[in-house]
Parts: sequence; structure tokens; C-alpha cells
Amino acid sequence: AQKVTQAQTEISVVEKEDVTLDCVYETRDTTYYLFWYKQPPSGELVFLIRRNSFDEQNEISGRYSWNFQKSTSSFNFTITASQVVDSAVYFCALSVLNSGNTPLVFGKGTRLSVIA
Amino acid sequence: EPEVTQTPSHQVTQMGQEVILRCVPISNHLYFYWYRQILGQKVEFLVSFYNNEISEKSEIFDDQFSVERPDGSNFTLKIRSTKLEDSAMYFCASSEEAYSTDTQYFGPGTRLTVL
Repeated sequence: AQKVTQAQTEISVVEKEDVTLDCVYETRDTTYYLFWYKQPPSGELVFLIRRNSFDEQNEISGRYSWNFQKSTSSFNFTITASQVVDSAVYFCALSVLNSGNTPLVFGKGTRLSVIA
Repeated sequence: EPEVTQTPSHQVTQMGQEVILRCVPISNHLYFYWYRQILGQKVEFLVSFYNNEISEKSEIFDDQFSVERPDGSNFTLKIRSTKLEDSAMYFCASSEEAYSTDTQYFGPGTRLTVL
């Protein structure tokens, strides 16, 4: 069975601070995919990134960066120079390569509040 | 940019009533999903659907739930006799391919309130 743990329930930072959201996953499968989704106050789920288990290269997209480490089963997300618009709940999710449709397994989410 | 749409945005119903939640997946996507998020909790998988049949379903998706692709564009979730605990945000998602190599894109959700 797959499991995603986001130990940080809520984080509050002051604007322009850097913040890292932690994600630890569990799976026995060797081929799997990791995702981050953002849920702003309006409620929708916005896709941010997908990584596969064979690609441990870190990724940077603007102020966002992701650190994937298989050795620690972690896929952490860093926001540099946070802004008020970054305030949202962030979900880490996992799916495994399988026949048929593969549901996403979500963590419980981390609520990020960025204060001006 | 293509997006998944859902209607209504908010549905209020009385316990025991039937509700139908509607979704229009991205047009070239072939795989469809429903997820549920009880207020303040994590997003949970309900069901996946491909080629006019259910591919996988979770324990939550019991006999009171059903899904249908009534035409070439809509994908619906029906709850036959709603319970108080069905109150949640229901998200529809679609992906171009079945395997987890492909990203599931989510709609804005329907907030269901059962009174």
C-alpha cells in the first residue's frame, strides 16, 4: 500500500521568507510518480509538478523548487521569497505504475500562510 | 488552456435525496476520476473510469454511488440516497493516458452540503 505523509499541518511565514514543505512517501513499487498540487482558498486543485522515481534531478521553476531524494523517500517543495499569493494548502501525492487507472494517494496537506 | 469543468459549484440537498454531480473532462482525455475531500481533510480517491466502465474504485465508493458517461462530453457522479457524511467537496479529474506517467488535471470541485 502507498502512503504519503506531510508532517507539517500549518506553516506561517512572513512575506519574502523562504519556506520548505516536507513530503515523505512509502511504497514498495520501484516505479512510481510524485506530484505536488496547490489548493488556494478558492478550492480548486492546481497541478504544480510531476516526477518519476527514476529521475532524482532537482527541479526549479521560478520561485519554486523541488528536492527529490529516494534515499530518504522524500520529495520536498521549497518556495523562495514567498508571496501572499502563495497562501494555500499544498498537497503531495503519489501514484504507482500499474495496469489500469492509477489513483493518486494524497497526503493530508500543509496549509501555508504568507503574511504581508 | 483546456480545463476540467464541474457543475454545480455548490449543491445543497436534504438527506436521502439523490444528487448528480456533473463534470466535463478535457476533450482529448480518455480517463476520468472522482475524488472527495471532506472539509479540512485530505483528498481521497473514489473511482476511475475508462472506456465506459469502472476501472478501479475505493472502499468509499459503495452501492449508493454510480458513475456514467452519458454522452461524448459529460462524466457524472450520482449519489442515490445522500447521507450527512457525504457532505464534502467532490473533484473530477481527467488524464490523457491511464498510467501514472500522465498527470491528472482537476476541476474546480462541487461542494455538496447534505442537511
